[in-house]
Amino acid sequence: DVQLAESGGALVHPGESLKLSCAASGFTFSLSEMNWVRQAPGKGLEWISYITSAGTTVFYADSVKGRFTISRDNSQNSLFLHLDSLRADDTAVYYCARGHYEIVSWGQGTLVTVSS
Amino acid sequence: QVMLSQSPSASASLGASVKLTCTLSSGYSTYAIAWHQVQPGKGPRFLMRLNHDGRHNNGDGVPGRFSGSSSGSERYLIISNLHSEDEADYYCQTWGTGPPYVFGSGTKVTVL
Repeated sequence: DVQLAESGGALVHPGESLKLSCAASGFTFSLSEMNWVRQAPGKGLEWISYITSAGTTVFYADSVKGRFTISRDNSQNSLFLHLDSLRADDTAVYYCARGHYEIVSWGQGTLVTVSS
Repeated sequence: QVMLSQSPSASASLGASVKLTCTLSSGYSTYAIAWHQVQPGKGPRFLMRLNHDGRHNNGDGVPGRFSGSSSGSERYLIISNLHSEDEADYYCQTWGTGPPYVFGSGTKVTVL
């Protein structure tokens, strides 16, 4: 079975940084494009970042461009999201998601709360 | 850029059917979409990919009572024989030629 397990969510202050991780299993991670999607409290799903299977090409939503960095370690079947200059409106559950075009697998999410 | 529109809510009785609509913005009527389910307190679940011609492929383990169809710029999710656990938020997603990916605003389904 495909499993995606996020970790690293925490309560942080505005302006601080955080690194999220996603451990993948049950599929060939090194051949899979990956994404991060978030959901703010009471809001809908928002795609925020994508990385190709080799990690050579990345895309970001305008809302996080320049502040967030996606990366991966195929030797460890792991996906990462580095969050810098966090703001209150970054408060959300962050999901690791597999897919190129349609997202076909989701994790359970990790909560990031940005508050002073 | 493509946008997706969804009604905020829908409801139907236990055992009945409900049809949800996702509308692609003008000029994007040939785009495929995906449907995802978010049950309360859970992570999202991929339901299906739905092409412009109505062909759809359900995700692993998704029951056959979840089906899809298309008409012009509208993409539908039909849930037949509603179960109580179908009470959830349903999102459509599209992708154009690649990232950025776009989600609709979601439809909350209530099972009466």
